[in-house]
Amino acid sequence: AQKVTQAQTEISVVEKEDVTLDCVYETRDTTYYLFWYKQPPSGELVFLIRRNSFDEQNEISGRYSWNFQKSTSSFNFTITASQVVDSAVYFCALSETTSGTYKYIFGTGTRLKVLA
Amino acid sequence: KAGVTQTPRYLIKTRGQQVTLSCSPISGHRSVSWYQQTPGQGLQFLFEYFSETQRNKGNFPGRFSGRQFSNSRSEMNVSTLELGDSALYLCASSSWRRGVNNEQFFGPGTRLTVL
Repeated sequence: AQKVTQAQTEISVVEKEDVTLDCVYETRDTTYYLFWYKQPPSGELVFLIRRNSFDEQNEISGRYSWNFQKSTSSFNFTITASQVVDSAVYFCALSETTSGTYKYIFGTGTRLKVLA
Repeated sequence: KAGVTQTPRYLIKTRGQQVTLSCSPISGHRSVSWYQQTPGQGLQFLFEYFSETQRNKGNFPGRFSGRQFSNSRSEMNVSTLELGDSALYLCASSSWRRGVNNEQFFGPGTRLTVL
């Protein structure tokens, strides 16, 4: 069965600190996709990144970076030099491909508070 | 391209009533999913439609139903509302194609309050 665990419910950091948000997933499928979304206080979820199970390369986009490790079933997200605008709830999600379920399973989210 | 739109944005109903929420996906997107978001439960998957067919359904009672029209617009209906149905209902669309689960794009949501 699909499952996504975001063990960190809430994290508070001071501006300019680096912060890593953890995501651990479970799947029996060999082909799957992982996603990160950001939900700012305004409420609308914003897509950040998609990664498929065959691509374990880490990705960096500005201050954001993602570390995908199949060996530990983790897809962690790091924000470098955090800013107040990074304050939001971040969701990790998993979607299997070969099982044909066509659904996305979300973690419970991690609320990030960046203090000025 | 216009984003995913949802109407209405806010809704107040009383127990026992029914409600219909509407979602217009991004042009060209044929997959539409619905989620219920509550503070305690996070995002819970309701159902997903593709080309007017429900492909998958989450673990919600039969009071929750949906449909998709030929233009990919989707509606979800909740009958006999309960207090616990108060939540933010999110619609998401994606350009699904076999073997590739593309990212979903979310609408702003409909905040339903049941009194």
